[in-house]
Amino acid sequence: ILNVEQSPQSLHVQEGDSTNFTCSFPSSNFYALHWYRWETAKSPEALFVMTLNGDEKKKGRISATLNTKEGYSYLYIKGSQPEDSATYLCAFIGDNQGGKLIFGQGTELSVKP
Amino acid sequence: DTEVTQTPKHLVMGMTNKKSLKCEQHMGHRAMYWYKQKAKKPPELMFVYSYEKLSINESVPSRFSPECPNSSLLNLHLHALQPEDSALYLCASSQATGRSYEQYFGPGTRLTVT
Repeated sequence: ILNVEQSPQSLHVQEGDSTNFTCSFPSSNFYALHWYRWETAKSPEALFVMTLNGDEKKKGRISATLNTKEGYSYLYIKGSQPEDSATYLCAFIGDNQGGKLIFGQGTELSVKP
Repeated sequence: DTEVTQTPKHLVMGMTNKKSLKCEQHMGHRAMYWYKQKAKKPPELMFVYSYEKLSINESVPSRFSPECPNSSLLNLHLHALQPEDSALYLCASSQATGRSYEQYFGPGTRLTVT
């Protein structure tokens, strides 16, 4: 059974704070890691697709890093805004898995104005 | 158009009913997925269609029957469901099933089995 874990489970921050959370995944048979943002009552939306060890990706105030050798990825949000409030999911794809995403439990972020 | 649509948004059905969930995309994607999501849990993959052929079935009970009539449409036929099948059913699509292809999700169908 492949285990993908995210921490913390939930996070409450003030507007303007910078924050980060972690996704841990199996370090063997790595194929890709995806990050998704899921706002309440909306569809999950892809943030990043990461495939290479050492990858760093950035979209506006959000960035992510990847370490496949030790099996973790960090997601950073700089200067959090209330509209960043959402659940952030990471999803692991193992080698020879036909593209099957295995999701972590998610980190629920709440940003207070 | 980067939208995946799902109908209906909500569905309440009895254990003897037969119903279908529908998913549609017009992005030219050749891979489509069904996920099941229970409250406070991550989405769990049920089925994958690649080029209109079923490529992954995650040992889903036969009371769930997927169908991909063409490259834009994905159905999930439901029959003789159990109350524990109540969940949010998400559809997604991607260009293909390769690792680099992000998935585009629909808003889901909230299913309640009574």
